[in-house]
Amino acid sequence: DAGVTQSPTHLIKTRGQHVTLRCSPISGHKSVSWYQQVLGQGPQFIFQYYEKEERGRGNFPDRFSARQFPNYSSELNVNALLLGDSALYLCASTRGDSGNTIYFGEGSWLTVV
Amino acid sequence: GIQVEQSPPDLILQEGANSTLRCNFSDSVNNLQWFHQNPWGQLINLFYIPSGTKQNGRLSATTVATERYSLLYISSSQTTDSGVYFCAVEGGNTGKLIFGQGTTLQVKP
Repeated sequence: DAGVTQSPTHLIKTRGQHVTLRCSPISGHKSVSWYQQVLGQGPQFIFQYYEKEERGRGNFPDRFSARQFPNYSSELNVNALLLGDSALYLCASTRGDSGNTIYFGEGSWLTVV
Repeated sequence: GIQVEQSPPDLILQEGANSTLRCNFSDSVNNLQWFHQNPWGQLINLFYIPSGTKQNGRLSATTVATERYSLLYISSSQTTDSGVYFCAVEGGNTGKLIFGQGTTLQVKP
């Protein structure tokens, strides 16, 4: 089975633009979470979706939004990009909504210039 | 919220040496995982270990939930073990992983 897949792997955007990142979970997994990792730090939780509903939200501004589709894939959207949004964005999938092994994709490297 | 502290922050080993990485957490958890982040950024799942002991080849991990710490052991280290090791916990059925700051390991040939 394929692991967690993310796209695109690398992208460069200009301040003020919008970006959409995509994630497909492991087959059979119903929960997708998004994390932001800036250089030198551990990943920070942004969102969790389970069965297409938002189950948790981290301390991120409203410029960040996400959704989960009927096939359990997910999109993370960031509006009005700031230089500080430059980071590695990681998608994770798990079978249930909590207490299960969590698997990460390879990430999307976003650079805002 | 739960606090996660990892030590040491940096570790340099000679190939073949053994090492122990530690993770302390501030509250009870229902999930604890160890990850290895490779140079390309991918988080490789090493262990799901909210309690007890597990071994996988040269790696093993022990979590003592009652004392709120976990240890990752690396034996006979290899240069390919280099990278950042993260401990992450989930508390209260939140589905949210809280990561420590990581231990950066460099294994020299």
